[in-house]
Amino acid sequence: EAGVVQSPRYKIIEKKQPVAFWCNPISGHNTLYWYLQNLGQGPELLIRYENEEAVDDSQLPKDRFSAERLKGVDSTLKIQPAELGDSAVYLCASSPGGAGAGNTIYFGEGSWLTVV
Amino acid sequence: GENVEQHPSTLSVQEGDSAVIKCTYSDSASNYFPWYKQELGKRPQLIIDIRSNVGEKKDQRIAVTLNKTAKHFSLHITETQPEDSAVYFCAASSVDTGRRALTFGSGTRLQVQP
Repeated sequence: EAGVVQSPRYKIIEKKQPVAFWCNPISGHNTLYWYLQNLGQGPELLIRYENEEAVDDSQLPKDRFSAERLKGVDSTLKIQPAELGDSAVYLCASSPGGAGAGNTIYFGEGSWLTVV
Repeated sequence: GENVEQHPSTLSVQEGDSAVIKCTYSDSASNYFPWYKQELGKRPQLIIDIRSNVGEKKDQRIAVTLNKTAKHFSLHITETQPEDSAVYFCAASSVDTGRRALTFGSGTRLQVQP
């Protein structure tokens, strides 16, 4: 079974430029998450989708970050414009249901962003 | 919201020794506590989890204990091996439908010396 697939794996951009990350969750998983992981720290939730609905986006900096999950499958996370402090790993994850139900959350390999 | 604290931040042990990592959480409604292992440049991978209706769970050399009253849980690795070297994260999630996502601790870098 294919795992969570993310692209690109690595991206280097200049500050103020836009960037987008794509995620394909595990087939059949209706819950999708975007997490931000800074170097040496634990992942922090940016947004959670149940199917195509964003049910928790309270930690998403909406002035520059946006996300969508059209048709409830693939998802895209966009940053525009990027700032130096956005350099981090952006992890996509999926699960059959919400984590509170004890469903295992599976992570992708992450998209490593460097803003210069 | 939930807050998870994890200690120690780094841990070095000799091969064959045991390693213990401890976490505390703040939300008494949390009911699911997984542990993830992350090797350098790789994705976090689930190694064991525990639900609030049990106090201990074991899988070969790995065990997790949960004390709901004190709101803390621990990871125990016995007979450590060099391949156990990685960063370990604890996490917790709440039954509240609005917060069914994992809150992670800050991680423990475990180094097993051969």
